[in-house]
Amino acid sequence: TQLLEQSPQFLSIQEGENLTVYCNSSSVFSSLQWYRQEPGEGPVLLVTVVTGGEVKKLKRLTFQFGDARKDSSLHITAAQPGDTGLYLCAGTPRGSNYKLTFGKGTLLTVNP
Amino acid sequence: KAGVTQTPRYLIKTRGQQVTLSCSPISGHRSVSWYQQTPGQGLQFLFEYFSETQRNKGNFPGRFSGRQFSNSRSEMNVSTLELGDSALYLCASSLDSEGMIQYFGAGTRLSVL
Repeated sequence: TQLLEQSPQFLSIQEGENLTVYCNSSSVFSSLQWYRQEPGEGPVLLVTVVTGGEVKKLKRLTFQFGDARKDSSLHITAAQPGDTGLYLCAGTPRGSNYKLTFGKGTLLTVNP
Repeated sequence: KAGVTQTPRYLIKTRGQQVTLSCSPISGHRSVSWYQQTPGQGLQFLFEYFSETQRNKGNFPGRFSGRQFSNSRSEMNVSTLELGDSALYLCASSLDSEGMIQYFGAGTRLSVL
């Protein structure tokens, strides 16, 4: 059973479109992180959300942490080909002893 | 400053062999974690080392082992390789004080034939 469920698994859109990807769990997390991984590279941290209801913006990317700290979303406005990659959410369940758990990711392709 | 360096980048082995992967963390980082990434299972936590001690361990068989040296460099060893061990092995380092902020290397792509 996957502790963090990400949806959709695959997403292919045209440049300029908006999109939202989701990260859901039945567990409460102390914090959640979002990473982007490009082919042949390791994941790169985009953001960490800590407080329930928190919203963070990173240029065209908006991250939200659910009020109950069980879910998160990533919204991209006016997607560009450079946004193409695997988006991973990760977190440590509350009470866990420092063990980062990852979702399987959303593979985003932005076509020119 | 230099990022996390993993060597080798690619490796081809046959079933039954063993393999050792290396990870040099960012200078000053004392925590090193290892992950296995496959298309089917995604990123799965193998183990974490801090100050030469294994601090956490994932649900992998004993064929997977690791160690950390006094300079924080880490090695991961897989013995008696199986076809299912084919994966991208990622190493991540962090300053312990930063908690969960991890910096990943580019990984070692292991293919078991």
